[in-house]
Amino acid sequence: DPKIIQKPKYLVAVTGSEKILICEQYLGHNAMYWYRQSAKKPLEFMFSYSYQKLMDNQTASSRFQPQSSKKNHLDLQITALKPDDSATYFCASSQLGGFYAEQFFGPGTRLTVL
Amino acid sequence: DAKTTQPDSMESTEGETVHLPCSHATISGNEYIYWYRQVPLQGPEYVTHGLQQNTTNSMAFLAIASDRKSSTLILPHVSLRDAAVYHCILRVASSSFSKLVFGQGTSLSVVP
Repeated sequence: DPKIIQKPKYLVAVTGSEKILICEQYLGHNAMYWYRQSAKKPLEFMFSYSYQKLMDNQTASSRFQPQSSKKNHLDLQITALKPDDSATYFCASSQLGGFYAEQFFGPGTRLTVL
Repeated sequence: DAKTTQPDSMESTEGETVHLPCSHATISGNEYIYWYRQVPLQGPEYVTHGLQQNTTNSMAFLAIASDRKSSTLILPHVSLRDAAVYHCILRVASSSFSKLVFGQGTSLSVVP
C-alpha cells in the first residue's frame, strides 16, 4: 500500500485558475514538506510543516498556500495559476525527534498550466 | 548547508560496482552526508547517510574520507533498476526537519 498519497497524479489548469494538490501520509510522521521540480531543474524546497505548524517557507509568492487540516495531511493551494507554475510537485514527510530523520517522498502531482 | 560537487553523469554495465564521487570541501563538523536517488517520474528515495565513519546498508556502501571533504557512494553489482540521478546532500544534524537542498546530481546510466 502506498505510504504517501498524492492526488491527482496529473493536473491540467488554465492560466488564472486555482487548484489544490492533495497529500496524505500514512507513515505516522509529524513533519511534512512540499517540493517542486520544474522541467530539467533540481527539486526545490517550498514549505515544511511540523505538528501542523509552518516551520519554513522558501516560496516567495503568496499564491502558494499550504493547508493542514489533519496531522497527516498537507495540501497545497495554488491561486492565480501561471504557465511558470507548471512542474511536478512532490510531498514528503519525516519523523522528528532524531538526527537522522530521512524524508520519504510521494509520487508527485504533475501540473501543467496552459 | 554547504555545497557539494558531483559529476554530471556516469555510465556503468550491469553487474559492475559503481563508485559515485561527491566533493564537499567546506563541510561543517555538524553536517551529515546524505544520498538520495531519483528515478524519472518518481519522487526521490533515501539511499544512505553518514557523518564520519563508513556506513553500509542493503542499498549501498558510503565511504567518507578521513578529512570529510569528500565521499563516495559505492553501488555493488548494479542492475538496470539502479539507473537514476544520485544526489549528495549535506544536512545539519540538529535540524531534523530541515529542507533538503538538491543539486543536479549524477545521472547514472546502466547498460546491459
